[in-house]
Amino acid sequence: AQSVSQHNHHVILSEAASLELGCNYSYGGTVNLFWYVQYPGQHLQLLLKYFSGDPLVKGIKGFEAEFIKSKFSFNLRKPSVQWSDTAEYFCAVNAGSNYQLIWGAGTKLIIKP
Amino acid sequence: NAGVTQTPKFQVLKTGQSMTLQCAQDMNHNSMYWYRQDPGMGLRLIYYSASEGTTDKGEVPNGYNVSRLNKREFSLRLESAAPSQTSVYFCASSENPATTGELFFGEGSRLTVL
Repeated sequence: AQSVSQHNHHVILSEAASLELGCNYSYGGTVNLFWYVQYPGQHLQLLLKYFSGDPLVKGIKGFEAEFIKSKFSFNLRKPSVQWSDTAEYFCAVNAGSNYQLIWGAGTKLIIKP
Repeated sequence: NAGVTQTPKFQVLKTGQSMTLQCAQDMNHNSMYWYRQDPGMGLRLIYYSASEGTTDKGEVPNGYNVSRLNKREFSLRLESAAPSQTSVYFCASSENPATTGELFFGEGSRLTVL
């Protein structure tokens, strides 16, 4: 069965620190990859996505992610985090042409001011 | 734009009671989804509707039923609530996720079953 693993369930960083959140998936074929974010009290929203082309994808608010096919990974990065980045981050994968996204368990990120 | 609207936002039920969660979207999307979110488990798909008139089971459909009333509305019904159904429920909509990928979510409905 397809699955998505997010390695860290909780991450605590200080402002201006660099961020990398891991995401690995298990599927050997073509995939579409997503990172969603849920800020406190808000609904989930798309942060960035990869369908094809340049494996380094840039999203909103300075986030980026790199698709490494050989490692089945799609890690999320940000060079310098801000207090407002405190949120829960979800990696998701769409494998094939069906309508189902497979979701990771999420990573709660807390930024200390 | 309202986007995706879910009601109610909070509900407490007793075991065995029934209820319906309502969802409506105003973006003219073809596809709609119901997810549940549990701590440490991410989102799990309950049911989805790829287009008006169709519904399909997701990963965790047991104990739930859905109705795609029209293109705008997609409801989720719990016929006999159980404590295991205590969760946060999210409705979402999209065009074809295989081509656009983006899901638009409602604000969630927190359900507690005692």
